[in-house]
Amino acid sequence: DSGVTQTPKHLITATGQRVTLRCSPRSGDLSVYWYQQSLDQGLQFLIQYYNGEERAKGNILERFSAQQFPDLHSELNLSSLELGDSALYFCASSDQTPTGGETQYFGPGTRLLVL
Amino acid sequence: AQSVTQPDIHITVSEGASLELRCNYSYGATPYLFWYVQSPGQGLQLLLKYFSGDTLVQGIKGFEAEFKRSQSSFNLRKPSVHWSDAAEYFCAVGASGTYKYIFGTGTRLKVLA
Repeated sequence: DSGVTQTPKHLITATGQRVTLRCSPRSGDLSVYWYQQSLDQGLQFLIQYYNGEERAKGNILERFSAQQFPDLHSELNLSSLELGDSALYFCASSDQTPTGGETQYFGPGTRLLVL
Repeated sequence: AQSVTQPDIHITVSEGASLELRCNYSYGATPYLFWYVQSPGQGLQLLLKYFSGDTLVQGIKGFEAEFKRSQSSFNLRKPSVHWSDAAEYFCAVGASGTYKYIFGTGTRLKVLA
């Protein structure tokens, strides 16, 4: 158990819908990262927040957005869902300052299925 | 461009045999290197990491990895594989001043009884 929690564990929805994935980092971690894992794209970095501020963006679609709240939990919002958004979404948190070299600890993931 | 290559998509070994999973990286800065393991339906668990110092690092579950700068490699090894090691293994690289990891495509390990 990494100490990172994600809810829900599974999510089934329809195309065009909007969903919210939630992540709680390990106690004391200020950085939260979101990743998408799909069969064809592998593990892709989406976005990172540090203490409430966006720090880095990866391959995140404009239909997707995220935020980190004052209590440090984070939410990833996926809208206008398409079949291709079906994937495993991971959250990770890290234990150092945002200067790189920190270790990321991953949550169990949310499996999203878009029908 | 920055990249991580895991040349072996699938590897099958017999229980008790030794294991080496390959990882090559291309990174302009001094890399920080990681190996993670993902069991079916699970998240990624950190096996070991290299930031600096001794190039041979020990991890959990009896795994070790060796950083070879001249070969741009960070191969994962285990002297004797257990059936419970069957999983997918990911190599990742990060660097000071960046905020994201780049992951390899993973190597799926199958262990024969």
